[in-house]
Amino acid sequence: NAGVTQTPKFQVLKTGQSMTLQCAQDMNHNSMYWYRQDPGMGLRLIYYSASEGTTDKGEVPNGYNVSRLNKREFSLRLESAAPSQTSVYFCASTGSIDEKLFFGSGTQLSVL
Amino acid sequence: QKEVEQNSGPLSVPEGAIASLNCTYSDRGSQSFFWYRQYSGKSPELIMSIYSNGDKEDGRFTAQLNKASQYVSLLIRDSQPSDSATYLCAGANTGNQFYFGTGTSLTVIP
Repeated sequence: NAGVTQTPKFQVLKTGQSMTLQCAQDMNHNSMYWYRQDPGMGLRLIYYSASEGTTDKGEVPNGYNVSRLNKREFSLRLESAAPSQTSVYFCASTGSIDEKLFFGSGTQLSVL
Repeated sequence: QKEVEQNSGPLSVPEGAIASLNCTYSDRGSQSFFWYRQYSGKSPELIMSIYSNGDKEDGRFTAQLNKASQYVSLLIRDSQPSDSATYLCAGANTGNQFYFGTGTSLTVIP
């Protein structure tokens, strides 16, 4: 059972480049989330998808877009990367708000 | 105002002592609360979940929830060096949103 698989693990971009972070879960979870983690800031919610076919903004959505491709997959896209988007990104999923979040292994993104 | 506020520390305790971690939350619609532990360079892992007022114990860990005061805490008894990590408090509301605090860095000194 793989859980939450997140790719890539590391990425370096130049300012203005675009990229997509991929996330897939094999636990048949309805809800999926994208967070960013910066030193001293904890985990901040970027976007989430409560169920297949829906997406909603979190605390810090500017500069990002998401796609809930199907129940398993939830991708995060940076259309024009900025140095302020240098961060560690985590994807997570859960079956309900009474259950824990299962996290991917994270993506270390650097934007130069 | 952040949905969840934590004392960011850092907190240092001697081995064998009790470590006390606290957080407050602003959304009265939050109904589930969690404590995660995160080692440097790793993903967060669940330590405790709590949904009702009162205490919940699991081994050396006790979570406390007071919905009237909008307060959640975690006590770690007999602290061990392996408990040294960042502890994240999280709340989940009926909008399917999980919000995290900024984390408290704990160091257990041998």
